[in-house]
Amino acid sequence: NAGVMQNPRHLVRRRGQEARLRCSPMKGHSHVYWYRQLPEEGLKFMVYLQKENIIDESGMPKERFSAEFPKEGPSILRIQQVVRGDSAAYFCASSPDSSGANVLTFGAGSRLTVL
Amino acid sequence: QQPVQSPQAVILREGEDAVINCSSSKALYSVHWYRQKHGEAPVFLMILLKGGEQKGHEKISASFNEKKQQSSLYLTASQLSYSGTYFCGTESEGTGANNLFFGTGTRLTVIP
Repeated sequence: NAGVMQNPRHLVRRRGQEARLRCSPMKGHSHVYWYRQLPEEGLKFMVYLQKENIIDESGMPKERFSAEFPKEGPSILRIQQVVRGDSAAYFCASSPDSSGANVLTFGAGSRLTVL
Repeated sequence: QQPVQSPQAVILREGEDAVINCSSSKALYSVHWYRQKHGEAPVFLMILLKGGEQKGHEKISASFNEKKQQSSLYLTASQLSYSGTYFCGTESEGTGANNLFFGTGTRLTVIP
């Protein structure tokens, strides 16, 4: 059973370009979460999605950032017109359908560097 | 909604004990503890639910005081492998969203 798969692991973009980060949750998991981690800092919540629905996007910057989790395929975090401050590790986590507290399984992260 | 962790960093010698604290300003439904080694993904350690008991994982255990909205992680007889950054994640009551907000982390370094 493969874990949470993120790609690319490393991505380099120039200012103004677009970055697309992909996350395939664990098999059987339908909840996906995106977190951003700046160097030497904590995990900052960005967005929580279920299939085809955004449940909570309170941590997403209002501009340039968007996320989706389509019925088929991976979840995608999209950053348009990247700036240097977007350089960070972006972690995706997934959890199973559950009415109780969900244990998150994290992917290995995608490290974005903006030149 | 981000919980507050203390201390920010701690250095231990092998065999020593440590306590990491996590507190929230909101009523909590659950507290999760994760450990992240440098350059790697956070790894789940344990979860404590409201009304739950103290949990243990080998020499790592945790408690959850619902009234004070606090949790503590106890590491006893530390080993070199315990080094890493420990994060607490909290799930607030009544949000209905089940998403976790993490503290800023506690960096633990165990030296020989």
